[in-house]
Amino acid sequence: QKEVEQDPGPLSVPEGAIVSLNCTYSNSAFQYFMWYRQYSRKGPELLMYTYSSGNKEDGRFTAQVDKSSKYISLFIRDSQPSDSATYLCAMLSGGSNYKLTFGKGTLLTVNP
Amino acid sequence: EAGVVQSPRYKIIEKKQPVAFWCNPISGHNTLYWYRQNLGQGPELLIRYENEEAVDDSQLPKDRFSAERLKGVDSTLKIQPAELGDSAVYLCASSGAGPSYNEQFFGPGTRLTVL
Repeated sequence: QKEVEQDPGPLSVPEGAIVSLNCTYSNSAFQYFMWYRQYSRKGPELLMYTYSSGNKEDGRFTAQVDKSSKYISLFIRDSQPSDSATYLCAMLSGGSNYKLTFGKGTLLTVNP
Repeated sequence: EAGVVQSPRYKIIEKKQPVAFWCNPISGHNTLYWYRQNLGQGPELLIRYENEEAVDDSQLPKDRFSAERLKGVDSTLKIQPAELGDSAVYLCASSGAGPSYNEQFFGPGTRLTVL
């Protein structure tokens, strides 16, 4: 079992839809949870960064962490064609084993 | 503020040839990372530097890969000799100190094709 599991999609939605992206993880040492957005032929760009269980909102984006279930989500409201990209979840373990572990990424297409 | 700069953006070589990638991190960022991203996968860490010291190179295939960050700023990643399986995007990232230490900023990557 991989440490981080993410459904690669692809996911195709109409403009204005609510998008839900999810990851599960198995390593209890993960302390920080991130979502990156990666456009084609670009590097990943940090979207959201959370530490504790619960929700964090930033504009149209909401990140949700449930540490008890080892499950994280990213919700995108009122999705736009410009949101079309690959979304990567990433999880950080600290201390002597400091390392950012990524999921495979979910390819999202928002159709106008 | 300029982001992480990488060059070249694309490189095509034949197997067994050497290749080198260059990275200039965000100004003031002491921590530098090299990642490899295979097609359809997330990035995987190769090496992490704190200033000029490689503090985690456990995932670097040392038989053919080497890296350096001599003055604690720019870094070079080298492969010699390259194999077909090395075809991937090589990403450089950097992060700052304090509360922003965990926020890694990525460059555009170097797309390597080994023929």
